[in-house]
Amino acid sequence: DAGVIQSPRHEVTEMGQEVTLRCKPISGHDYLFWYRQTMMRGLELLIYFNNNVPIDDSGMPEDRFSAKMPNASFSTLKIQPSEPRDSAVYFCASSLSFESQPQHFGDGTRLSIL
Amino acid sequence: GNSVTQMEGPVTLSEEAFLTINCTYTATGYPSLFWYVQYPGEGLQLLLKATKADDKGSNKGFEATYRKETTSFHLEKGSVQVSDSAVYFCALLFGGSQGNLIFGKGTKLSVKP
Repeated sequence: DAGVIQSPRHEVTEMGQEVTLRCKPISGHDYLFWYRQTMMRGLELLIYFNNNVPIDDSGMPEDRFSAKMPNASFSTLKIQPSEPRDSAVYFCASSLSFESQPQHFGDGTRLSIL
Repeated sequence: GNSVTQMEGPVTLSEEAFLTINCTYTATGYPSLFWYVQYPGEGLQLLLKATKADDKGSNKGFEATYRKETTSFHLEKGSVQVSDSAVYFCALLFGGSQGNLIFGKGTKLSVKP
């Protein structure tokens, strides 16, 4: 079975540019999560969706970050304008609803803002 | 509040050594507990889980027992291999919602031949 698919795997861009990260969750999963991982701050939950509806975006660092989930098979995380401090690995994960079910992670997008 | 504390790394061991990575938690109610592993360049993946007190999760030679009396979920393996080198995350899920998954800071394990 296909896992969570993220694209691109690597992104290098200059500050001020718009960055769009993409995620395809596992079919049938009704939760989708966006995380950011850095050496300094570890793994941080940015936002999560349930049945395509954003439930908690309190982890989104600031208004430059936005996330959408237009349908059950696709989500985007957008940064506009990007800044060097946004450099990190961004992970998407999906899961079923039940408490005992694990979250399934994609391989991440390594973002470098110059 | 709910939280997870795991031992800081890095941990460096020789092949075939015994591994323990400590994890303790604070939670209201009865959380589910997980260990995730992250290999270099990859996302996190579930290693094992336990959903109630005294449950033992196990996978790939790793084990962890859900100890309610000590609020702990320590990860152990009797004989580590070089291929076990990775970052290990303890996590708890409380309140029955997937949105309430809390990760520890991770422990980096390096196994030398």
